[in-house]
Amino acid sequence: DIQMTQSPSSLSASVGDRVTITCRASQGISNYLAWYQQKPGRVPKLLIYSASTLQSGVPSRFSGSGSGTDFTLTISSLQPEDVATYYCQKYNTVPRTFGQGTKVEMK
Amino acid sequence: QVQVVQSAAEVKKPGASVKVSCKASGYTFTDYYIHWVRQAPGQGLEWMGWMHPSGGGTSYAQKFQGRVAMTRDTTISTAYMDLSRLTSDDTAVYYCARGPWSGGADYWGQGTLVTVSS
Repeated sequence: DIQMTQSPSSLSASVGDRVTITCRASQGISNYLAWYQQKPGRVPKLLIYSASTLQSGVPSRFSGSGSGTDFTLTISSLQPEDVATYYCQKYNTVPRTFGQGTKVEMK
Repeated sequence: QVQVVQSAAEVKKPGASVKVSCKASGYTFTDYYIHWVRQAPGQGLEWMGWMHPSGGGTSYAQKFQGRVAMTRDTTISTAYMDLSRLTSDDTAVYYCARGPWSGGADYWGQGTLVTVSS
């Protein structure tokens, strides 16, 4: 099975900072990658699919890029409401494995 | 509007089975896959498998093969996830979520906490 590895596992940043999270696949997955946000005690929310397509209603400060094995999620200007854990998920084949998550905290 | 509503929390003894339901509304139930994802306390998301309501076809993560069954009743737009031979390691919040064949899961249920304890 293809493994998904996120880095870092956690980060702390200030309001307005640019934040970048990386997701690496153990084999190429083209652009079959989604990103989710899960706020504490809440249900996961789809942010991005096809590696770079923003889900409807998601703020434009979120963006995704990458193809093949290396992907990034960027928050251009961190806001307090962005405190959450972020997960990548590959969906080129089953199993649709998630990364282990990246916890974003406010400094 | 699209809604996905799951059944209430369950407490089970080790060795028992649990059946979680997931009722969909606001869209054509047979047009989208239903994913099942679980999250143990303080842990990340774990994809368990999916089921396509149209024909009932399923695909399960190897970890759960032989112990999980995902079914549906199209007459009431409801999907089910049966997990058997429960152990304490199965204590988790179980989510169902709607998704296309290619793409992320865009609507999630509220989650069902399953606690396995003697």
